[in-house]
Amino acid sequence: GAGVSQSPRYKVAKRGQDVALRCDPISGHVSLFWYQQALGQGPEFLTYFQNEAQLDKSGLPSDRFFAERPEGSVSTLKIQRTQQEDSAVYLCASSRDRGSADTQYFGPGTRLTVL
Amino acid sequence: LAKTTQPISMDSYEGQEVNITCSHNNIATNDYITWYQQFPSQGPRFIIQGYKTKVTNEVASLFIPADRKSSTLSLPRVSLSDTAVYYCLVGPMDSSYKLIFGSGTRLLVRP
Repeated sequence: GAGVSQSPRYKVAKRGQDVALRCDPISGHVSLFWYQQALGQGPEFLTYFQNEAQLDKSGLPSDRFFAERPEGSVSTLKIQRTQQEDSAVYLCASSRDRGSADTQYFGPGTRLTVL
Repeated sequence: LAKTTQPISMDSYEGQEVNITCSHNNIATNDYITWYQQFPSQGPRFIIQGYKTKVTNEVASLFIPADRKSSTLSLPRVSLSDTAVYYCLVGPMDSSYKLIFGSGTRLLVRP
């Protein structure tokens, strides 16, 4: 079916607000990844889910960042008390199988701007 | 994971062949080489992947010399729509699931 979708595509938040970014992976994909991409840089890994289990959250920059995938499908990345340095594009990717043996398919990203 | 080095930017003209070389001197025996393409306002897209020698698909070719310390992505007869950022990634397929992106090569194709 359709590829990875993300919503909203653009989000403007005032410093201190909480935001929630949604990712709809390709149906049936086991693995789901979140990346953060600063302007002019390549994406940087944040966290990884295998089904509903969060197996790696080593890339989350602070405890203000939280991700979940409760039913093993849709995932939400939540950022609490946003700061200006959180401004970036947040990319979600999914892959069919476990690990990197399969291609990661990326969504279009959510551009977060914190004022 | 092996660190990669690639040119920051490249210019080309429509119809030309473009070769982007990536250096990965510390590549490990079980590392693969993967290239992604990213257009503005889109997520990266897988182009090609290889381990050694040459790999070709409908989009590009990937040349890997015997020592595997570098690789070259070849785009035949580029068009304006090939203007994008190209990332070279190196890592093991079997155990690493985090894609490690560098800053990429910004390719500009001119008319």
